[in-house]
Amino acid sequence: GIQVEQSPPDLILQEGANSTLRCNFSDSVNNLQWFHQNPWGQLINLFYIPSGTKQNGRLSATTVATERYSLLYISSSQTTDSGVYFCAVEMRFGAGTRLTVKP
Amino acid sequence: ETGVTQTPRHLVMGMTNKKSLKCEQHLGHNAMYWYKQSAKKPLELMFVYSLEERVENNSVPSRFSPECPNSSHLFLHLHTLQPEDSALYLCASSSGVGGGETQYFGPGTRLLVL
Repeated sequence: GIQVEQSPPDLILQEGANSTLRCNFSDSVNNLQWFHQNPWGQLINLFYIPSGTKQNGRLSATTVATERYSLLYISSSQTTDSGVYFCAVEMRFGAGTRLTVKP
Repeated sequence: ETGVTQTPRHLVMGMTNKKSLKCEQHLGHNAMYWYKQSAKKPLELMFVYSLEERVENNSVPSRFSPECPNSSHLFLHLHTLQPEDSALYLCASSSGVGGGETQYFGPGTRLLVL
């Protein structure tokens, strides 16, 4: 099956800093999603992005399907951005990046 | 509020019990999913239903038995579970499974097997 690898596994930021999260995948994709899981376990879909670039407020994502990676950018991070960010490719999830934003 | 609800939110059961998890989606979707999230492991896709037909079963032990009576409801029947089955069980739905689908997740059921 398809392999999904995320990096870094953990990230600690000071409030206001920017960050880039990476997702590598092993095969061509029709479906790639980024999710945020809050401390209570709720998963919220951030982007559906099998290719191209999308932006939503302080978040943006880019997928380069030919090179089999996707990036999630978080700008001007806030403490409420803390949690685990998952990349899901063809409904298969990576291990996630745990983000902690300190005030 | 994602439009996907799960009950119960927490469940403690013994290894000889039988219990069921319920998921309901209010989004008019045709596909529903069960995932298992264990500590320090990626989410594992367990079952996929499309238009009430099971389309994927990822080598899940038979002590987990899914049921999809209609496109809005999904159940996971549990019996003779093991302590290693303790996990967060997440339900999701999407408009279809053919690609181009955004998944919406419920809040999960935290299961503890004693």
